[in-house]
Amino acid sequence: GQSLEQPSEVTAVEGAIVQINCTYQTSGFYGLSWYQQHDGGAPTFLSYNALDGLEETGRFSSFLSRSDSYGYLLLQELQMKDSASYFCAALSGAGSYQLTFGKGTKLSVIP
Amino acid sequence: ETGVTQTPRHLVMGMTNKKSLKCEQHLGHNAMYWYKQSAKKPLELMFVYSLEERVENNSVPSRFSPECPNSSHLFLHLHTLQPEDSALYLCASSQAQGNTEAFFGQGTRLTVV
Repeated sequence: GQSLEQPSEVTAVEGAIVQINCTYQTSGFYGLSWYQQHDGGAPTFLSYNALDGLEETGRFSSFLSRSDSYGYLLLQELQMKDSASYFCAALSGAGSYQLTFGKGTKLSVIP
Repeated sequence: ETGVTQTPRHLVMGMTNKKSLKCEQHLGHNAMYWYKQSAKKPLELMFVYSLEERVENNSVPSRFSPECPNSSHLFLHLHTLQPEDSALYLCASSQAQGNTEAFFGQGTRLTVV
């Protein structure tokens, strides 16, 4: 089956850097996405990696290593508003295309 | 505002009731999805529609019945639910099935009593 593992909670200080890791086991893997969800809000798309390496989008970067079945989301210059849950999601084509989500990492940014 | 609107935002229903959740997307997308989000569990994909045809049903109990009358609207009909079905039900859409960027609605918080 498809599964993704990520830490359940992370706490970091405002202005710091935090890395949220994700390991996956999927068949027919195409790529890894990251989503952000604030309490009471809708998940919103952050990034997608289809190839190995680092993709940078402002303060957020995402990394993928297909050989290690591993990726991470890097958040720099943390702000209080970054406190949210972050989900990795694997796009796979086994059967039909679908996104399989991890359980999410709750990030708390403290002053 | 993501362009995907769900109603109602909150719903409390008894186990013998019948209710429907509604989702509408204003993005011109061709694929729509229902997800279930429970505490401490991953988002679970329930149904996938592509061009109004159901293409995926991930072993969802028959007490959940989806309907996609057109590419902009998606419904989830509920009947004889169980308390363990209480969760946040999220609708999403994407340009096409398999697109990596899905746009989610705010969800319907369902409580079965």
